[in-house]
Amino acid sequence: DADVTQTPRNRITKTGKRIMLECSQTKGHDRMYWYRQDPGLGLRLIYYSFDVKDINKGEISDGYSVSRQAQAKFSLSLESAIPNQTALYFCATSDPDRGREGSYNEQFFGPGTRLTVL
Amino acid sequence: GQSLEQPSEVTAVEGAIVQINCTYQTSGFYGLSWYQQHDGGAPTFLSYNGLDGLEETGRFSSFLSRSDSYGYLLLQELQMKDSASYFCAVRDDNYGQNFVFGPGTRLSVLP
Repeated sequence: DADVTQTPRNRITKTGKRIMLECSQTKGHDRMYWYRQDPGLGLRLIYYSFDVKDINKGEISDGYSVSRQAQAKFSLSLESAIPNQTALYFCATSDPDRGREGSYNEQFFGPGTRLTVL
Repeated sequence: GQSLEQPSEVTAVEGAIVQINCTYQTSGFYGLSWYQQHDGGAPTFLSYNGLDGLEETGRFSSFLSRSDSYGYLLLQELQMKDSASYFCAVRDDNYGQNFVFGPGTRLSVLP
């Protein structure tokens, strides 16, 4: 099945370390997203990419950077991790189909990466 | 800016009907979506409303009133497996076509 995968699934690191979270998809979607989830705050957008050459900041991009290596790969980096970046991180994809109502609003999420910064 | 409000928790019994409300404030509203997330899992798409009215998909229905900036998710014939968190999300064309998610409603279904 076409899927969205994330590695690692769990990571514990120390303050100041550089961390990279990776996302791969076999759905053939152009649009990819990185979200952060904290309890009681829902999902917040960190970065998004509508194609390989188009990368944009989301609501909470400070302290994060991304790389879109290919249509199928979108990586999130924390250059110098800090404890308040402890959260659950999700990658998502979407592929708006102009022939299908609602497809613009359907996102497909990876299984998530639980990151703990000590 | 954008903001969405949902009740934090809802509890119901098996077989019952429950409604989860969502109110939103956004400048370039495009549509309202609903996602389900089980504990430890990823959000999964449930439904979308682009126009006013009710959309039905099996036991789940979703409603939108754009004039009231309000929508709801209706779950019928509740089952234990429906225990999960439910998020509403709007896409805002004035926000780079990004999705803004509500804080989520935790639904507990009791036997």
